[in-house]
Amino acid sequence: AQSVTQLDSHVSVSEGTPVLLRCNYSSSYSPSLFWYVQHPNKGLQLLLKYTSAATLVKGINGFEAEFKKSETSFHLTKPSAHMSDAAEYFCVVSDVGSNYQLIWGAGTKLIIKP
Amino acid sequence: GAVVSQHPSRVICKSGTSVKIECRSLDFQATTMFWYRQFPKKSLMLMATSNEGSKATYEQGVEKDKFLINHASLTLSTLTVTSAHPEDSSFYICSARRAESYNEQFFGPGTRLTVL
Repeated sequence: AQSVTQLDSHVSVSEGTPVLLRCNYSSSYSPSLFWYVQHPNKGLQLLLKYTSAATLVKGINGFEAEFKKSETSFHLTKPSAHMSDAAEYFCVVSDVGSNYQLIWGAGTKLIIKP
Repeated sequence: GAVVSQHPSRVICKSGTSVKIECRSLDFQATTMFWYRQFPKKSLMLMATSNEGSKATYEQGVEKDKFLINHASLTLSTLTVTSAHPEDSSFYICSARRAESYNEQFFGPGTRLTVL
């Protein structure tokens, strides 16, 4: 069965320092992987997606993620955090085994210290 | 492209009343729409999947008579919370999928329901 594990419920970084949000997945098929961001009391925004093309995916707002099949990981990174990045981030997997339903991680709250 | 709207964005109602939430795909035809519920500080929970012109498929534990879903057209799905109670208070989010993009969903901005 498909599953997603976000290894950190909270990540705290200082403004201007790198961000790493970790995500591991399990899938018996060729997965599609997504990162969504949700600001407080706001809707979901797609940051980036991997759908079997280039393994290094660039998204909006300077975020990127690398699909590593051998490690079953899809970690989200950003070189320099900005105060506006403070939000909840969700890693999501989808594949034919789930009939392309989205399987959600529990979320990681990113806290930016001034 | 691929914009999904929800209406209303917020609704407050009295216990025992019914509330209807609309989800529209504004610039594409959505063969499938999904309804999610999000509890505070939690991830999204899929409630049901609806295909245009057919009955919705509900996830285990979701009461179909409580949460009525209609997907009457390729651009509109509605969720009606019947006889709402305070425990139904939540953030409800819809998403829509295009036939040609089976592995991606486009999300609405969500509806905050508060039942007094």
